[in-house]
Amino acid sequence: RKEVEQDPGPFNVPEGATVAFNCTYSNSASQSFFWYRQDCRKEPKLLMSVYSSGNEDGRFTAQLNRASQYISLLIRDSKLSDSATYLCVVVAPGGFKTIFGAGTRLFVKA
Amino acid sequence: DAGVIQSPRHEVTEMGQEVTLRCKPISGHNSLFWYRQTMMRGLELLIYFNNNVPIDDSGMPEDRFSAKMPNASFSTLKIQPSEPRDSAVYFCASSQQGAQPQHFGDGTRLSIL
Repeated sequence: RKEVEQDPGPFNVPEGATVAFNCTYSNSASQSFFWYRQDCRKEPKLLMSVYSSGNEDGRFTAQLNRASQYISLLIRDSKLSDSATYLCVVVAPGGFKTIFGAGTRLFVKA
Repeated sequence: DAGVIQSPRHEVTEMGQEVTLRCKPISGHNSLFWYRQTMMRGLELLIYFNNNVPIDDSGMPEDRFSAKMPNASFSTLKIQPSEPRDSAVYFCASSQQGAQPQHFGDGTRLSIL
């Protein structure tokens, strides 16, 4: 089993749609969780951290479920500019080793 | 503010040659990470440093790969000898401490012929 697993997609959605991505991780002792975004031929950039209580940043909501060992990202009112690959990131115990999921590709269409 | 700076941006060389990738982290960041990204394997952590000290190099694929961080503002990743399967995008990232949100450089696109 991979340490971090994501549905690779692609997800093709119209503008204005709501789309959700899930990510599962294998190590129950994992410490920190993030979502990164990567545009084509660009570097990954932090989208948001993920907290147990859930957190929201504008149209983006992240949730962590430690019992089931999954993380989710919800994007509301999708924009064309949201088209990218979304990477789930899990930090192993110790606080340094960073494990990236393979990414979920999102295409938002006009 | 200057972000993470990597050089070169692109490198094309023949197999067997030595390749050196360079990274300047963000000033004040104590942790530095080297990653490799390919279509097949995604983004893989190769090695990370904290306060210039290598903490974990278990992701380094083979002895042909080595990394150094002689000071807080410079790190290198070296491949010697290079092979075609080393072709990938190599990213350097830094953070203030540990795996807290990391800032990535633009990457080095490496092609080994």
